Amino acid sequence: AQSVTQLDSHVSVSEGTPVLLRCNYSSSYSPSLFWYVQHPNKGLQLLLKYTSAATLVKGINGFEAEFKKSETSFHLTKPSAHMSDAAEYFCVVSVETGNQFYFGTGTSLTVIP
Amino acid sequence: SAVISQKPSRDICQRGTSLTIQCQVDSQVTMMFWYRQQPGQSLTLIATANQGSEATYESGFVIDKFPISRPNLTFSTLTVSNMSPEDSSIYLCSVSRTGRSYEQYFGPGTRLTVT
Repeated sequence: AQSVTQLDSHVSVSEGTPVLLRCNYSSSYSPSLFWYVQHPNKGLQLLLKYTSAATLVKGINGFEAEFKKSETSFHLTKPSAHMSDAAEYFCVVSVETGNQFYFGTGTSLTVIP
Repeated sequence: SAVISQKPSRDICQRGTSLTIQCQVDSQVTMMFWYRQQPGQSLTLIATANQGSEATYESGFVIDKFPISRPNLTFSTLTVSNMSPEDSSIYLCSVSRTGRSYEQYFGPGTRLTVT
């Protein structure tokens, strides 16, 4: 069975400080992992994806994530938060054998000026 | 990527009525999916829309309540039938091209309010 746990429902950071959004996954197969961002009243946008290539994945807007199989984690980071990063972030797992996505419960990121 | 449009973008409907949501993609895709996002919640997969065959529904969702059509490789509809206030949600369609690392592209969503 596949599942995703986002360890923090809310994260608050000051502008210019690092961002860490935590995600742990469970998968019976080799997973593909994704981070999506959802700004208020907007659609979901793909930030980055891991699909069994390099374990450190770089995405858009300065975000990156590291796949750690031993820890079953795929945490999202950014060195310096910007006000425009305030949004809801979803960690998603998929499996090689299909196209089904399993969403985490989401982490709401607040950026304080 | 893929450009996905949904109609309507939002609607307010009365209890007991039905609403059909359309999803249009700018190119042919293999897989189309329908999700529900209840207020303040994550996304839950309703069904996978297969071209030329019946949709595959997830546990807790049934065809009588959420009939789906997929007449071709660029279009799908989801109907929310006999609506109740509990159906108030954002409904999103997404698409995936097999062989593209399974990433999904999402439409802007349809915000449904049932009164």
